[in-house]
Amino acid sequence: GAGVSQSPSNKVTEKGKDVELRCDPISGHTALYWYRQSLGQGLEFLIYFQGNSAPDKSGLPSDRFSAERTGGSVSTLTIQRTQQEDSAVYLCASSLGGATGELFFGEGSRLTVL
Amino acid sequence: KQEVTQIPAALSVPEGENLVLNCSFTDSAIYNLQWFRQDPGKGLTSLLLIQSSQREQTSGRLNASLDKSSGRSTLYIAASQPGDSATYLCAVRWYGGSQGNLIFGKGTKLSVKP
Repeated sequence: GAGVSQSPSNKVTEKGKDVELRCDPISGHTALYWYRQSLGQGLEFLIYFQGNSAPDKSGLPSDRFSAERTGGSVSTLTIQRTQQEDSAVYLCASSLGGATGELFFGEGSRLTVL
Repeated sequence: KQEVTQIPAALSVPEGENLVLNCSFTDSAIYNLQWFRQDPGKGLTSLLLIQSSQREQTSGRLNASLDKSSGRSTLYIAASQPGDSATYLCAVRWYGGSQGNLIFGKGTKLSVKP
């Protein structure tokens, strides 16, 4: 696609339910990032994928959070047993691999946990 | 520890004024630095990317400079307009750094008054 695509754009769920957020990066981009942004706050790094290397999961806040990237393209961020503090906008970004690639963001998925 | 700082956190200017946003970073061994804008409820839009070998980049009314030795970058906005109102973030990429080699500042919220 022309840009980074994220779905759903909005998700309302009940506490305790599982949710999946999807990111479709720009074609050919080997690096993919997930960030979380709470209302009025800065970006919180969650996870980073680069090609076939092991992902950098150092930002995942708890074991309820997981992410995978299939075929080096589409990524899914899964949050199990959602809590109200998980409410935030989840942003995905991609870039060409290597050190110099420009980073492009999707519009984000807004998650509200009731 | 690699850190990115943006000061001030918020800035309000009258329309037509030229202004400078600041981004400072520890550790001058960077690969590149990227400036973004974020409108409320939206993802981040890439404005300018400066590679470590470059001193500045220009796009329209925007000019970004990079001084690695002092650990600083500035984003100059000429003849500001109300449509420039947004949060501006800088991100620095380091070799072998954490969080996917990319650290974001917390942003400067700019308000341009008509």
